[in-house]
Amino acid sequence: KAGVTQTPRYLIKTRGQQVTLSCSPISGHRSVSWYQQTPGQGLQFLFEYFSETQRNKGNFPGRFSGRQFSNSRSEMNVSTLELGDSALYLCASSPQVMNTEAFFGQGTRLTVV
Amino acid sequence: GQQLNQSPQSMFIQEGEDVSMNCTSSSIFNTWLWYKQDPGEGPVLLIALYKAGELTSNGRLTAQFGITRKDSFLNISASIPSDVGIYFCAGQNQGGSEKLVFGKGTKLTVNP
Repeated sequence: KAGVTQTPRYLIKTRGQQVTLSCSPISGHRSVSWYQQTPGQGLQFLFEYFSETQRNKGNFPGRFSGRQFSNSRSEMNVSTLELGDSALYLCASSPQVMNTEAFFGQGTRLTVV
Repeated sequence: GQQLNQSPQSMFIQEGEDVSMNCTSSSIFNTWLWYKQDPGEGPVLLIALYKAGELTSNGRLTAQFGITRKDSFLNISASIPSDVGIYFCAGQNQGGSEKLVFGKGTKLTVNP
């Protein structure tokens, strides 16, 4: 079974730009969760999508948004990038909503300059 | 919001030594999880605990779900160089319908 695939692995953007990250879950998994990981704050939950609907949301500003497609693939978008958005963005897939047995991808390392 | 206090923040040990790390919370969790993250990779689930008082092993790893449901610990016995990485605890509430809350991690360095 192929694992969770995140693309791209690395990204450099300029302040003010917007960025879209992609996550393909494990085949058969319908839930995709997104996390931001920084050295200072650790892993912070962004949001979760299940069956193309956002089911849970963390405490991030509206600049952070996401969506899920009918094939369960998910994208997250960050608009008007700030330096503080530099982080490792991880997605996790699981069969059901907020299932504890979630599998993480390798992440996308975003650097905002 | 809920927070998990994970300690120690980092550990430097010799190969063969045992390791212990723990997480505490001001609120109750119904599930405790322990993950390991290698450099450049996403976290990988090591052990999941679902019942207060539960003690579960996975090879050289042993984790316990505290009786109060507000804490958990992870032990690694006879450490080896590949144990190097960052270990995270995570808690979850409400029968699995709530988001995972993560600790800030314990960075483990094993000297050969």
